[in-house]
Amino acid sequence: EVQLVQSGAEVKEPGESLKISCKGSGDSFTNDWIAWVRQMPGKGLEWMGTIFPGDSDARYSPSFQGQVTISADKSITTAYLQWISLKASDTAMYFCARHSPLRYGDAFDIWGHGTMVTVSS
Amino acid sequence: SYELTQPPSVSVSPGQTARITCSGDALPQKYAYWYRQKSGQAPVVVIYEDSKRPSGIPERFSGSSSGTMATLTISGAQVEDEADYYCSSTDTSGYLWVFGGGTKLTVL
Repeated sequence: EVQLVQSGAEVKEPGESLKISCKGSGDSFTNDWIAWVRQMPGKGLEWMGTIFPGDSDARYSPSFQGQVTISADKSITTAYLQWISLKASDTAMYFCARHSPLRYGDAFDIWGHGTMVTVSS
Repeated sequence: SYELTQPPSVSVSPGQTARITCSGDALPQKYAYWYRQKSGQAPVVVIYEDSKRPSGIPERFSGSSSGTMATLTISGAQVEDEADYYCSSTDTSGYLWVFGGGTKLTVL
């Protein structure tokens, strides 16, 4: 069964950089898209962007374009979400999720458990 | 930017039918998807492509879409269905995903 295992919780100070990860198991990682979804405390889900690890084609929500970088290393079936300079407003839970037009009509069908990022001085 | 609009909350008694709506200008051309998120957990897809149910999702969950509105229906809602529900879809390009603001379903 495919699983997405995310890296652990992070506590950072404003201005610091951060890269969190999402490792897929199973052999479908390079044939699927991996999305990143933000959920601020007590708030709803926000799609940040998605990447196709097979060729690293990445697409971003206009709200997050230029604010984060989504990347992937298909050789180790891992996707990443990166910040150069964190802000307090980046404090949130970050989920990765798999989707593919070939499976459940491109629904986000497998989700990671989430990585909590806290940015505070 | 493209938006999907949901009611903030819906409340029903156990056994009643709960309906959650989602409106968006691109819904006549694009599919709607529905996710259930219980407190402290990752979301789970309950409906895809407007009306299809993934394996393992109870039959009381159904979906429909007409014009600019999609609807998630829970027939005979149960206490364990209490959760936040989110609709999702893409804009007309098909490349950019968006979630609705979420609807808190209360069953009591």
